[in-house]
Amino acid sequence: NAGVTQTPKFQVLKTGQSMTLQCAQDMNHNSMYWYRQDPGMGLRLIYYSASEGTTDKGEVPNGYNVSRLNKREFSLRLESAAPSQTSVYFCASVGNSNQPQHFGDGTRLSIL
Amino acid sequence: AQSVSQHNHHVILSEAASLELGCNYSYGGTVNLFWYVQYPGQHLQLLLKYFSGDPLVKGIKGFEAEFIKSKFSFNLRKPSVQWSDTAEYFCAVSGYNQGGKLIFGQGTELSVKP
Repeated sequence: NAGVTQTPKFQVLKTGQSMTLQCAQDMNHNSMYWYRQDPGMGLRLIYYSASEGTTDKGEVPNGYNVSRLNKREFSLRLESAAPSQTSVYFCASVGNSNQPQHFGDGTRLSIL
Repeated sequence: AQSVSQHNHHVILSEAASLELGCNYSYGGTVNLFWYVQYPGQHLQLLLKYFSGDPLVKGIKGFEAEFIKSKFSFNLRKPSVQWSDTAEYFCAVSGYNQGGKLIFGQGTELSVKP
């Protein structure tokens, strides 16, 4: 009963390096989301995928790209990491919009 | 613009004290409302939700919240807190038919002293 699984849990990057954060859910959910959590700012939506094959920008998409690989997987890519992208990243999924989202354990990313 | 505002950044209580965390939202349509809790080092967990019906909703661990439409508020309450309630609490809103996208408040850190 894994739910939403994120990898890795921790990562340190140097400025300019690239990285892909992985997310997979086993609940057959249609929609998946990527958020970043910063102190005093709550969680902010980066990108989301309402269904397999679709992706849309959220509130803070700059510097990120996403891929909805299949119904289960939704990855987040940093092409050229910047210190401002140091954050905790959460992936979430939901079956339909009238249900609460389920969250992964998060990826703590530090960019030096 | 849609937004969610949580009134308190950090609340410190003694065990057995009553808790009320404020949440106000700005959205021009039908909303779904949520409170999530994040224990130290863990992911967000759903405390309770409001979609429709009775505006007083009960959640897990003795928490409840009241939706007051006229005030655009969804305050979280608990009659008697425990040390184990120490966590960060997030209010969130999603607009009806908005693809389930959540808008979060800034969060309220609750510290309960034993």
